[in-house]
Amino acid sequence: GAVVSQHPSRVICKSGTSVKIECRSLDFQATTMFWYRQFPKQSLMLMATSNEGSKATYEQGVEKDKFLINHASLTLSTLTVTSAHPEDSSFYICSARREFSYGYTFGSGTRLTVV
Amino acid sequence: KQEVTQIPAALSVPEGENLVLNCSFTDSAIYNLQWFRQDPGKGLTSLLLIQSSQREQTSGRLNASLDKSSGRSTLYIAASQPGDSATYLCAVAPLSGSNYKLTFGKGTLLTVNP
Repeated sequence: GAVVSQHPSRVICKSGTSVKIECRSLDFQATTMFWYRQFPKQSLMLMATSNEGSKATYEQGVEKDKFLINHASLTLSTLTVTSAHPEDSSFYICSARREFSYGYTFGSGTRLTVV
Repeated sequence: KQEVTQIPAALSVPEGENLVLNCSFTDSAIYNLQWFRQDPGKGLTSLLLIQSSQREQTSGRLNASLDKSSGRSTLYIAASQPGDSATYLCAVAPLSGSNYKLTFGKGTLLTVNP
């Protein structure tokens, strides 16, 4: 079945530094990848959609200069949180959709803590 | 704008009980509907996916139904077990455009007590 690997699973960083989160589709080519943020006991909030080789499309209210998304290949998308602040602490999840496929496969999530 | 509502927000049942989780959506122009399970601090695991042309899907003790015209889906869990304790999320994909972005409900937190 389709597998999406997300790394790291947990990361702690200092305020002002940048953190990169990777999302890889292991056994399929992901035409589209999605990045979500989840606050405690809340549902998933879509941050952006990325298509391979093109710029990501950000949802309203999401700062694209702060959350840099790169989808350089059909199997890898990265989310970089730049100049992180404590309010960026959250659970980030990626998902991937294969072209002509019905379903979506999710990564295991990354718990980011900014201190 | 599509809105997805899940009822109840939380449910606590004794082991062995059959239960139903509800999901409703406002725009019936959907591509499919998917039920997910999320354990605390983890990602999402897909449970069942129902295409818009389908009425139901079954996997083991799980059965999901879809009534697109009324904007409703149910997830039926038979003979619940403590291991079923998790948050269950319902999500719909639009019929066209928008890169098929999913719209999620807020989830139902299920606790199955031994």
